[in-house]
Order: sequence, then structure tokens, then C-alpha cells
Amino acid sequence: AQSVTQLDSQVPVFEEAPVELRCNYSSSVSVYLFWYVQYPNQGLQLLLKYLSGSTLVKGINGFEAEFNKSQTSFHLRKPSVHISDTAEYFCAVSEENTGFQKLVFGTGTRLLVSP
Amino acid sequence: GAVVSQHPSWVICKSGTSVKIECRSLDFQATTMFWYRQFPKQSLMLMATSNEGSKATYEQGVEKDKFLINHASLTLSTLTVTSAHPEDSSFYICSARDSSAGGIRNEQFFGPGTRLTVL
Repeated sequence: AQSVTQLDSQVPVFEEAPVELRCNYSSSVSVYLFWYVQYPNQGLQLLLKYLSGSTLVKGINGFEAEFNKSQTSFHLRKPSVHISDTAEYFCAVSEENTGFQKLVFGTGTRLLVSP
Repeated sequence: GAVVSQHPSWVICKSGTSVKIECRSLDFQATTMFWYRQFPKQSLMLMATSNEGSKATYEQGVEKDKFLINHASLTLSTLTVTSAHPEDSSFYICSARDSSAGGIRNEQFFGPGTRLTVL
């Protein structure tokens, strides 16, 4: 069964600084990978996804992520963050053996952007 | 874009009562919807997969008699928490997959969530 690890529970960063949120997964089959953002008391919004093809994926709000199969990682990056990026970020994976139907989420990383 | 709504957005109820939460896909049809539970400062845990016109598939450890799921139409799934207790207090989030011919099958669209507080 797959699992998703987000090593950092909280990442504080200053506005306009770059940020990387780490995500590692374990799976023995093909996977799809996702990053979602959750603002307080709201549902999840898709930032970006990797299905196949280019390993560098660009998403909304200036975020991008790179799929590294050998390291089983899918880290999220943004070159310059804004105060409004403060939110909870979840990495998720779906596996081929579930028909890519079910999402398994990591524990989340809270990004705190301060002025 | 695809929009999923949930109603109510929050509910407070007394212990022992039942609460129904609705999940609707507003601009697309969804033969499959998912129900998640999220505890404070924790991740989403899949509770069950709701299939239109058939029984829901529950994840291990989720009591199907306590969390009743009905997916009677292509745009509506309901989750009923029966005989709710304080430990059922949580944030419940649904998601839906676009089942139309042009839909993106691998993407789930999430509702805004329902916060349940059981006194």
C-alpha cells in the first residue's frame, strides 16, 4: 500500500523568499501525484498534478513541483512567496492498482509567510 | 470550472441525534464521490467511496452503519452520521470525479467541507 510523507509539519518563511515543501512517497506501482492547498475552514484546491511526461510540473499561483522517481519525491517549490500563500499544503498520491481512484494524503505542511 | 458544494457548512447537534450532510456537484455529473474526515491539524482520511446507484465502499475501520452514504443521483451524495457522539466531531469533506465524456477522470474536485460539532 502506498504512503505519503511530508517531513515538515510547518515551514516559516519571509515574504518574497523562495520555499520548498517536501513530499516523499512509497509505492511499488505507477502513481499519480498531486499537491493541494487548503485555506482555513475550506476544502482543498488543486495546485498541480503529475500524471506522466515531463517531470517538472507547473501549477497555479506560481507553484511548481518536480517528480523524481529514483528518490520517490515530489517536492513543491515557489521562487517568491506572498503573504497570501499562508495555508496548509497537502501532497497526495493515487496508485495504478486502484485505478488511480483513491487519494492518499500526507499529513500536510503549514506554510507561514511573514512580512 | 468544476464546483462541488456541501450543506451545511457547519452544524452543532446533541449527542444521540443524526446529522445529514449533502455533497453536490453543481456543473458536472459524478458517478463517484468520496467522503473524507479531517481532524484538527491532521490530514484527510478517506472514509468511503460513494457510487451512484449502488452501495458505498467503506474503508477499513469505518462503521458503515454509523456513517450512512446515499448516492441517489449523478449530482448528489449524502452522508448521515447516525447517533452522533462527541468523538464524531470533525471536519467532513467530500469530493467528486467528473464522469462525463470530457471529464478529467483522474482529478477529484473538493467541496468546502462541513464542520460537525457534537455536544
